[in-house]
Amino acid sequence: QEVLVQSGTEIKKPGSSVRVSCTTSSDRVTNHAISWLRQAPGQGLEWLGGIIPIRNRTNYAPTFRAKVTITADESKGTVFLDLTSLESEDTATYYCAFEEAGYPTRFDPWGQGTLVIVSS
Amino acid sequence: HSALTQPASVSGSLGQSITLYCNGTRSDVGYFDFVSWYQQHPGKVPRLIIYDVIKRPSGVSTRFSGSKSGNTASLTISGLQTDDEADYYCCSYSDETIIVAFGGGTKVTV
Repeated sequence: QEVLVQSGTEIKKPGSSVRVSCTTSSDRVTNHAISWLRQAPGQGLEWLGGIIPIRNRTNYAPTFRAKVTITADESKGTVFLDLTSLESEDTATYYCAFEEAGYPTRFDPWGQGTLVIVSS
Repeated sequence: HSALTQPASVSGSLGQSITLYCNGTRSDVGYFDFVSWYQQHPGKVPRLIIYDVIKRPSGVSTRFSGSKSGNTASLTISGLQTDDEADYYCCSYSDETIIVAFGGGTKVTV
């Protein structure tokens, strides 16, 4: 099964940007999709968007289109999540998750999560 | 505000069966057979336990079963165990407006 490894905790100032990475050694990932999700402290899960690396095709949740950019570096097996204009409300654990083609909403496995703290 | 509606909490006794409900609309649960359920223990990563409404990933106990009727999806946990105490989230594919919708989660107490 694929293993997804995410970058570490980030502490950012309001108004700044952050990049979170998700790396896998599996070649299957490039032919399927990686989604990004987040969970604010004590809150539920939200889907931000996803990418199919081999097609460089992205989908974003309408709520996050202005906030999120998802890209991939196939040569490194890495997918990136860029968040802009950070606000305190963006404080959350951000997860990447593998999504096999043809099985939307089947997020498995997940990365270990990256905590992003936005604070002045 | 979550796109799918779940009760905040459900409790049950050891060995009992409980059913968690996830209410959607004709644009998500009612239209697509792409409903999944995730179990999350405190401080842990969510774990897929049901996908495509009724399918269980390899390694998931047969005590977990999923179903759907109209705009409502259900997760039944039979033979309740202490380790089942966790948060459970439903998820559905949706129309172009949302794409992927989650419920707010149900906390199961045993």
